[in-house]
Amino acid sequence: ELKVEQNPLFLSMQEGKNYTIYCNYSTTSDRLYWYRQDPGKSLESLFVLLSNGAVKQEGRLMASLDTKARLSTLHITAAVHDLSATYFCAVDLSWGKFQFGAGTQVVVTP
Amino acid sequence: GAVVSQHPSWVICKSGTSVKIECRSLDFQATTMFWYRQFPKQSLMLMATSNEGSKATYEQGVEKDKFLINHASLTLSTLTVTSAHPEDSSFYICSARDSGGTYNEQFFGPGTRLTVL
Repeated sequence: ELKVEQNPLFLSMQEGKNYTIYCNYSTTSDRLYWYRQDPGKSLESLFVLLSNGAVKQEGRLMASLDTKARLSTLHITAAVHDLSATYFCAVDLSWGKFQFGAGTQVVVTP
Repeated sequence: GAVVSQHPSWVICKSGTSVKIECRSLDFQATTMFWYRQFPKQSLMLMATSNEGSKATYEQGVEKDKFLINHASLTLSTLTVTSAHPEDSSFYICSARDSGGTYNEQFFGPGTRLTVL
């Protein structure tokens, strides 16, 4: 059975500090996606990681993919309040069919 | 960027009635669309894969007679919740895969919040 495990499920961040969210998956896949969801809203695409060793950065967020370890990380640098949201990773199984992680709820406080 | 719309954005209905939700890809063609449901503070659960011109593929445990999916064109898929009951209340999100894209990125609609009284 395919598993996509995110941890932690909840992350309380202090502004200005750095944090990492982990996404482990149990099947072979070269494609992994990160999304952000604000309360009551749909998903906003953050990163598309298409190969082993891929690293993408946008602002304070950086995502990487290690397909051999079946691990992706989402690193947050110097957290700010605007980053409060729920973050999901999703593994591309085949033909665009995704398996989502459980999500990591992030709350950034002063 | 690719835009996917959903209509309606929210709907309240009485138990026993049917509700139709539309999902449109606005600036690209999508031979494949996906329907998800999401309960509060939970992840997205794939309900079915909608393929243009053919029958939808439902995930295990999803009642195909209750959740009717029609993908009649390259830009439109509809989900009809038949004889809705309070337990069907949820946030329904569709996504579309760009047929002309080089990889399988999905573009998500804004979601439809269904409340069944």
